[in-house]
Amino acid sequence: EAQVTQNPRYLITVTGKKLTVTCSQNMNHEYMSWYRQDPGLGLRQIYYSMNVEVTDKGDVPEGYKVSRKEKRNFPLILESPSPNQTSLYFCASSFKTGVSYEQYFGPGTRLTVT
Amino acid sequence: RKEVEQDPGPFNVPEGATVAFNCTYSNSASQSFFWYRQDCRKEPKLLMSVYSSGNEDGRFTAQLNRASQYISLLIRDSKLSDSATYLCVVNSPGAGSYQLTFGKGTKLSVIP
Repeated sequence: EAQVTQNPRYLITVTGKKLTVTCSQNMNHEYMSWYRQDPGLGLRQIYYSMNVEVTDKGDVPEGYKVSRKEKRNFPLILESPSPNQTSLYFCASSFKTGVSYEQYFGPGTRLTVT
Repeated sequence: RKEVEQDPGPFNVPEGATVAFNCTYSNSASQSFFWYRQDCRKEPKLLMSVYSSGNEDGRFTAQLNRASQYISLLIRDSKLSDSATYLCVVNSPGAGSYQLTFGKGTKLSVIP
């Protein structure tokens, strides 16, 4: 089954404790992206990657890191989480058709930082 | 001015009604446009891409007006299962750009 998977789905952690949220896709998509979704602010792009070893900042990259060592994986790293990073996080992958990108989202990771 | 703007709603409509959502975007060079649907606490799912000529998929019709920089979604014969938040998405241009900007969404509740 074609899908994007994220782990963990739920995480409660404390300020400053490094964490990684994994994202994997089995559709051989070149493009992958991370978003956070907050009430009243909608979905905002954190980082994206257009291919292996190619990553770029989205709208809200501060406090996050990513890597793209393999095509299928795009982990999101919070080196020193803070309470303002409490959010619902989505990973997405997509392929390009012409100038269009059709995105497939993972199920989301709900992160709480205390 | 916000890059992608939608009426947040909520739109409360009876079953069988026709409902229309609009979305405006600020960057005139934007190249591709989408409508996504998001159920409560779930991931967004692609509903339709929006083409310059307009496109239809069953009860759903999407239109793009480049001159006025807005996108619309029309839902005919609303079903209870159409209740969700509808997100307007615009691709920001630029060589190799993969930046997608989401509107905050319009919430639809279809009432029996």
